[in-house]
Amino acid sequence: GAVVSQHPSRVICKSGTSVKIECRSLDFQATTMFWYRQFPKQSLMLMATSNEGSKATYEQGVEKDKFLINHASLTLSTLTVTSAHPEDSSFYICSARDPLAGAYNEQFFGPGTRLTVL
Amino acid sequence: SQQGEEDPQALSIQEGENATMNCSYKTSINNLQWYRQNSGRGLVHLILIRSNEREKHSGRLRVTLDTSKKSSSLLITASRAADTASYFCATRAPSGGGADGLTFGKGTHLIIQP
Repeated sequence: GAVVSQHPSRVICKSGTSVKIECRSLDFQATTMFWYRQFPKQSLMLMATSNEGSKATYEQGVEKDKFLINHASLTLSTLTVTSAHPEDSSFYICSARDPLAGAYNEQFFGPGTRLTVL
Repeated sequence: SQQGEEDPQALSIQEGENATMNCSYKTSINNLQWYRQNSGRGLVHLILIRSNEREKHSGRLRVTLDTSKKSSSLLITASRAADTASYFCATRAPSGGGADGLTFGKGTHLIIQP
């Protein structure tokens, strides 16, 4: 199957700093990528849909100015957590869908990024 | 919005037994997928069943879908210790653009006792 990578896999930062997380589709071009957040022992919640060459679409309750998304190329989307606070500590996971794989194809998930804000 | 609900939330069985997890959802769907997540790791796609399908098999996995009841089940036969993980169902709403993200259930934490 298709491969999606994330970098970094783990990051610890101080409160008030910004953190950038990268999501890459390694062997296919993804016009659309998705960002999810997962708190400990909870399920994944969709944060936003990242569209190549246009603005991201955010889910209700997700602050677009706090979670900046840039999808500058067909293989890379970045999520920047600005002015991070301890409550932003979470597991962030991206996914991508291969548009050539048909209407019913599954999303391919990255391995996730564990963010800890001190 | 969170619409999938799995039950049970936790399941502990002996190795070799079958494990059944259920998922219910609330709105119309394009397809339903099951994922596995080992502790602190990413998601592994297990199986996708389309809204016009009723049953699907993949190795030791069997998935059923009942759109009239808005429910699905995942059966893992002859369980192994390596099957210990959290299992999530995820649905995608019907969409002309096909760009909708997935809505995940709360998950079932499966423990296989050796």
